[in-house]
Amino acid sequence: AQTVTQSQPEMSVQEAETVTLSCTYDTSENNYYLFWYKQPPSRQMILVIRQEAYKQQNATENRFSVNFQKAAKSFSLKISDSQLGDTAMYFCAFMLPYGGATNKLIFGTGTLLAVQP
Amino acid sequence: EPEVTQTPSHQVTQMGQEVILRCVPISNHLYFYWYRQILGQKVEFLVSFYNNEISEKSEIFDDQFSVERPDGSNFTLKIRSTKLEDSAMYFCASTQGSQPQHFGDGTRLSIL
Repeated sequence: AQTVTQSQPEMSVQEAETVTLSCTYDTSENNYYLFWYKQPPSRQMILVIRQEAYKQQNATENRFSVNFQKAAKSFSLKISDSQLGDTAMYFCAFMLPYGGATNKLIFGTGTLLAVQP
Repeated sequence: EPEVTQTPSHQVTQMGQEVILRCVPISNHLYFYWYRQILGQKVEFLVSFYNNEISEKSEIFDDQFSVERPDGSNFTLKIRSTKLEDSAMYFCASTQGSQPQHFGDGTRLSIL
């Protein structure tokens, strides 16, 4: 069974600074997807970034980038130039690619990020 | 951009009553999901649905739960006899396949 672990329940960063959120996972599979979702106080679930395990290049979306270390089963999220609107709960999630019907997302427990002015 | 729509945004129900949560997935998506998030906890998978049948369900999804796609657009989650511990945020999601799932804004279910 796959598991996702986020060891930082809460983090704080000053506006315009950089912060890194940690995520580790456990799987015996070689091919899979990893995601970071953001959940602001409104409680929507918003996709931030995705990474395919077969790709060595780390994914980047504007101020958001990941450090994907497949051998270490680590998938951290770096937020550069933090903005007040980045304040949210961040969930790391894992998904197997075997047909859409079994593509359930397995979530970590989340990291609550507070961006301070 | 197409969205997954969930109604109602907040549902308050007496314990023991039946409740139906509604979702309209993105129109060309084929795979549908329900997740649950108890306040302060992580998001948990409940059930996946494809080709008019359940593909996978979690241990949470017991006989009190059912899902249905009654027409070409709606995807519903029914809880037959609600319990206090069913109070949670319920998220519907959809996808075309091995793509990121698009989530609705959720329905907050409060059981009194």
